[in-house]
Formats: sequence, C-alpha cells, structure tokens
Amino acid sequence: EIVLTQSPGTLSLSPGERATLSCRASQRVSSTYLAWYQQKPGQAPRLLIYGASSRATGIPDRFTGSGSGTDFTLTISRLEPEDFAVYYCQQYANSPWTFGQGTKVEIK
Amino acid sequence: EVQLLESGGGLVQPGGSLRLSCAASGFIFSSYAMSWVRQAPGKGLQWVSGITGSAGSSYYIDSVKGRFTISRDNSKNTLYLQMNSLRAEDTALYYCARDLRGNYVEDAFDIWGQGTMVTVSS
Repeated sequence: EIVLTQSPGTLSLSPGERATLSCRASQRVSSTYLAWYQQKPGQAPRLLIYGASSRATGIPDRFTGSGSGTDFTLTISRLEPEDFAVYYCQQYANSPWTFGQGTKVEIK
Repeated sequence: EVQLLESGGGLVQPGGSLRLSCAASGFIFSSYAMSWVRQAPGKGLQWVSGITGSAGSSYYIDSVKGRFTISRDNSKNTLYLQMNSLRAEDTALYYCARDLRGNYVEDAFDIWGQGTMVTVSS
C-alpha cells in the first residue's frame, strides 16, 4: 500500500498569501495518478487537480499542482476567503487507492 | 445536473448488516466506474471499494474484503454497498464517488454525493 504523507498538518496564513502544501509518497507514483481535493466542513470533497497538474472543471487558476516521483505540491497563489479548508492528496496508481491525512489551511 | 444521492445509513450493532445505495442522475451511469469512500468522524478519507461500469470487476480495501460487497444496477442507475459483519471501526460517513474519465478504475473522483452516516455501536 502506498502511504501518502502531507505536510504541514496545519498552515496558518492570511488572505492574499501564498500557500504551499506538500504530499510525499512512500514509493514512486506516476504523475498521471495523483489528485488533490478540497473539503470544507460539512461538505463532500471537491476535486481540484488530477494527473498531478491538470485542473478539474471550474477550478480557478490560482490552484496549481506540480511534482513527480514521490514528491508533489499543491500551490494556492493568493488565498481567497473561500480557500480556507482541508486539502487531501490521493494516489490512484496502485490499489488500494490511498489519501494523505490532510492539510488544514486556516486563517491566521 | 450530475448528482449522486446516498441512502441506507443508520445505527447498527456490531456484527450487523446494512446496505447502502447511491442513486445517480444526470449522466450515463453505465459508462463510469464508481467507488465508495468513507470518512470516520473527525478523520481523513479512506477509499473502500470500487467497481467498473459493467460491474465486471470490483476492488476492495483489505479491511473490508469478505465483509463488504459492491454492486450496481445500471438499469436503475444505482450503486450499492452491502456491509456485513460490521465493526465499530466501520463507523463513518460513506460517500459514493464517480470516476473522472469514465470506465477507468484507476482514476480521480470528480463527482461526490453528500454521504450517508453509518454508526456501529451497541
């Protein structure tokens, strides 16, 4: 099973600041099979990025995914008030598909 | 509008059974692989099971193999999860989710339902 470790656990930032979230895999993951999700309290997860760097439909371009191998990054260029949430990475290269434990982006 | 609506959750005693349903609308259901993903209270996401569009293949996380069965009825646009021998650690909000690209099991999930809560407790 591929274990995904996200860091930091919590990111305290102000609106307008840049957020950099990390996802490290326990073994190599093809970039084709790495996704990022956003989840707000009481809501289902929302797909942001698939294939490591492709934005899902309707996702603003302030969200950027990058990385390869075992290290992947989600960058939010300028935080908007609606971006404060929990973010999860997911690999779907090897079954079972696994998620990271999440990074909470909170308002400083 | 593309939509998934789960039902069937509830309170069940350890060792009991439940069947979850996920009604799909707004897309060609049979063309998409589907999955169940759960989230224990206050915890992260865990993929549980997936099934191809034709129901020809299904996949499970080790901890539910032999206890849970995923199935689908494409004539009713409905996904199911039969859960037997339930344990306290199965307590979670269960989401159904649609694969992004269609019938590729190895895929991200682009459409999610709102979830149905399963509580296993005596």
